[in-house]
This record gives sequence, structure tokens and C-alpha cells, in this order.
Amino acid sequence: AQSVTQLGSHVSVSEGALVLLRCNYSSSVPPYLFWYVQYPNQGLQLLLKYTSAATLVKGINGFEAEFKKSETSFHLTKPSAHMSDAAEYFCAVTDSGGYQKVTFGTGTKLQVIP
Amino acid sequence: EAGVTQSPTHLIKTRGQQATLRCSPISGHTSVYWYQQALGLGLQFLLWYDEGEERNRGNFPPRFSGRQFPNYSSELNVNALELEDSALYLCASSWNVVGGNTIYFGEGSWLTVV
Repeated sequence: AQSVTQLGSHVSVSEGALVLLRCNYSSSVPPYLFWYVQYPNQGLQLLLKYTSAATLVKGINGFEAEFKKSETSFHLTKPSAHMSDAAEYFCAVTDSGGYQKVTFGTGTKLQVIP
Repeated sequence: EAGVTQSPTHLIKTRGQQATLRCSPISGHTSVYWYQQALGLGLQFLLWYDEGEERNRGNFPPRFSGRQFPNYSSELNVNALELEDSALYLCASSWNVVGGNTIYFGEGSWLTVV
């Protein structure tokens, strides 16, 4: 069985500060990992995806995430927060073994303070 | 290229009625997923269809059902509506699920049960 845990349902940062959103995964086989963003009243948009090609994955809007197998983590970071980054962020996992559904974390709402 | 499209955008129903939500996947995608996003409950997996067959089902009662048509579009039916069914219903699609293909989301259908 696969699962993801997102630590912190709400995170607040000041504009210009580092954004760090935490995600830990559990998977019995090599995972594929995703970060999605959801702006208010919208669907989910893919930020980035880990496919084992590189441990540091760069996504859209200046976000990146690093896959750390030893820590079973895939934290999302951005060096400098913008007001437009305020949204809810979801980490997700699926495995490479075949017919497995995508499992989402519970989400982290990011607030950016001016 | 058109993304995942869902209809209707908003739907208001009375308790006990039936609701039908529709989803058209991205061209070429054979898998369709349905998720429920109720206030404060995160993304809950509902159903997954691939090549016309139900591949997996979340922990929802049987009054939540659906189907996938030969053109890969999908329908979600919710019978005997209850107030707690009020939520954003998100549809997503992907290519064949083997190998961790990315799933892409539509903008969702808002269902309000009164």
C-alpha cells in the first residue's frame, strides 16, 4: 500500500521568505511522486513530478522538490514566496508496479503575508 | 489541446434526488478518476476507470457509481443524495496507468445538496 503524509495543514510565510512544504511517502516499490497546486475554486494543477531520472526536480513557478529515499521525503521548496503562491498544495504518490491509483495527501494551505 | 472538461460547473439538488456529473478526458487518455473534495476533508478517491472497466473504488457507499463510455468519457452518478454529499467533484485523466503517468485534473463540478 502507498501513502503520503503532509506535515502541517496550514503554513504561513512572509513575502520573499523561503517556502518549505513537507511530504513524506510510503511505498513498497519505487514511487512516482507529484506535487499539485489548487488555487481557490479551481481544479488541481501539476507543479512537478519525480520519475527517478533526477532526485532534484524543478517545476513551474520557481518551485522544486528533492527526492530523498533515505528519509522517504519529497519536500517542496521555493526560495522566495510571492503573494500569488497562496494556494493549497497536495503531494501525491503512485507506484511503478502497475495498476495502482494515485494517492493524495491531505493538503497544505499556504498563506503568504505581505 | 483541450484539457479535462467537466459538466455541469454547478449543480443544486434536493436531498434524496440523484445527481449526474460528466467528464471528458484529454484526447488519448484512457483512464478517468473521480475524487470528492468536501470542505475540510481533502481529496477523497472515489472511482477509477480504465478502458471502460472499473479498476478501483474508494471507501464510498454503493449509491456512488459511475461508468466509462467507449469514447473514454465518464459519468458519476450519486443516488439518494445526502447533505454531506455537497462537495467539489474532480475528474482527472491519464494515459494507461502503468508507469506512473501524470493525471490531469478538470476544474470540477460543485454539487450542493439542500
